Amino acid sequence: GIQVEQSPPDLILQEGANSTLRCNFSDSVNNLQWFHQNPWGQLINLFYIPSGTKQNGRLSATTVATERYSLLYISSSQTTDSGVYFCAVNRVSNFGNEKLTFGTGTRLTIIP
Amino acid sequence: DGGITQSPKYLFRKEGQNVTLSCEQNLNHDAMYWYRQDPGQGLRLIYYSQIVNDFQKGDIAEGYSVSREKKESFPLTVTSAQKNPTAFYLCASSIVSGGYTEAFFGQGTRLTVV
Repeated sequence: GIQVEQSPPDLILQEGANSTLRCNFSDSVNNLQWFHQNPWGQLINLFYIPSGTKQNGRLSATTVATERYSLLYISSSQTTDSGVYFCAVNRVSNFGNEKLTFGTGTRLTIIP
Repeated sequence: DGGITQSPKYLFRKEGQNVTLSCEQNLNHDAMYWYRQDPGQGLRLIYYSQIVNDFQKGDIAEGYSVSREKKESFPLTVTSAQKNPTAFYLCASSIVSGGYTEAFFGQGTRLTVV
């Protein structure tokens, strides 16, 4: 199956700093998503981004499918950005959706 | 409201008992998934279903069972055969339409074996 690696595993930043989170995947994929897991455990959809670049406020993401990686940028960090960030990928085959495979996550801590 | 509803939010089970976690979606999504998350860890796939009356084992299916009798419902049973069932369980659903397949998650169920 597809392997998904995220880096760095942990990141501690001062409020206001910028950060870049990386997701590498081992094979071609049709779909890639970024999620934020909040302190209560809920997974919040950030981006659906199989290719290209998207922006939503202080967050943006870029996926370079041909090179098998995606980047999540967080600018002007706030304490509410703390939590774990996951990327997840899957492929669509003749049989339909293959399983959604998650990376190991990046734990982001923003210090006031 | 449209979305995915998991219940209960917290669940306590005695050792040796089976317990069923509920997952319902009103998004008209074809595919549904169950994941397990242990403290400080990532998500591991238990079972997934692409259509009604069909499902496939994920990476850690032993000790679990599922059914998909209705499109909107995908209950997960944690059986007494599951050696270490205490964990956070997340249900997801996604549409299957051409190449588009964005997944959405419920709020999760925390299961504790006492």
